[in-house]
Amino acid sequence: NAGVMQNPRHLVRRRGQEARLRCSPMKGHSHVYWYRQLPEEGLKFMVYLQKENIIDESGMPKERFSAEFPKEGPSILRIQQVVRGDSAAYFCASSQQGNNEQFFGPGTRLTVL
Amino acid sequence: GESVGLHLPTLSVQEGDNSIINCAYSNSASDYFIWYKQESGKGPQFIIDIRSNMDKRQGQRVTVLLNKTVKHLSLQIAATQPGDSAVYFCAERLSGGYNKLIFGAGTRLAVHP
Repeated sequence: NAGVMQNPRHLVRRRGQEARLRCSPMKGHSHVYWYRQLPEEGLKFMVYLQKENIIDESGMPKERFSAEFPKEGPSILRIQQVVRGDSAAYFCASSQQGNNEQFFGPGTRLTVL
Repeated sequence: GESVGLHLPTLSVQEGDNSIINCAYSNSASDYFIWYKQESGKGPQFIIDIRSNMDKRQGQRVTVLLNKTVKHLSLQIAATQPGDSAVYFCAERLSGGYNKLIFGAGTRLAVHP
C-alpha cells in the first residue's frame, strides 16, 4: 500500500518562474493538506482540500499561490512568479476522513535562485 | 498569536537513557495533540497522539503526557536508541476547526552511543 507520494522531490526555479508541486494521496484518502516548512522551523498549514473543493485556505498567501485537487489526478500546489522567499520544503498530507490521522509525504524541496 | 511549542533546542542523551521532550501550547480550544518524528530529508512520521479528555497515553517505548492546566505536552522515550535521533514536533488541532494542524518549532534529539 503506497504512501503519500510527492513529486518532484527537488525543484529549482529562477525568480519569476512558476512552480508546480504534485501530491498523490494514499489510496482511499480523499482529504489533502499542504504545509510549508522553512529550515529549523515547524510546518505551517497552507490549505486543506477535498476532491474538487477547497475547504480551508486560511494559511495560503492571497497572491501567487493556488491549490487544486481535481476529481481525477493528483493535488497540485501552484506558485506563480516565484521569489526567493518561497524557497522551502512543501509537504502534503492525506487523511481518509476530515478528522483522521494525517499521513505525510516526503516533501518537495523548492529552491528559488 | 496562536502557536505551539519551542524554538529549536537540542536534547543530547546517551543511548539507553530515557528522553523527555517538552512542548507548550497556547490554544485552550485544542482537542487533539500529536507528536511527530522527522528525520533529515523526510516527511513527519506519526509517533503517538492524545485527545484532550485524557492526560496520559502509552505506546511502544513512548508515553505522551498532557497537562491542560498549564497547557503542556511531553513525549517520553524509554531506552533511547540511535535510531531515535531526529527532530520531534508537537502539533495541535483546534476543536471545531477543520483538520489543520498547528506545529511547534521542534526539538532535535541527538542520541550518543
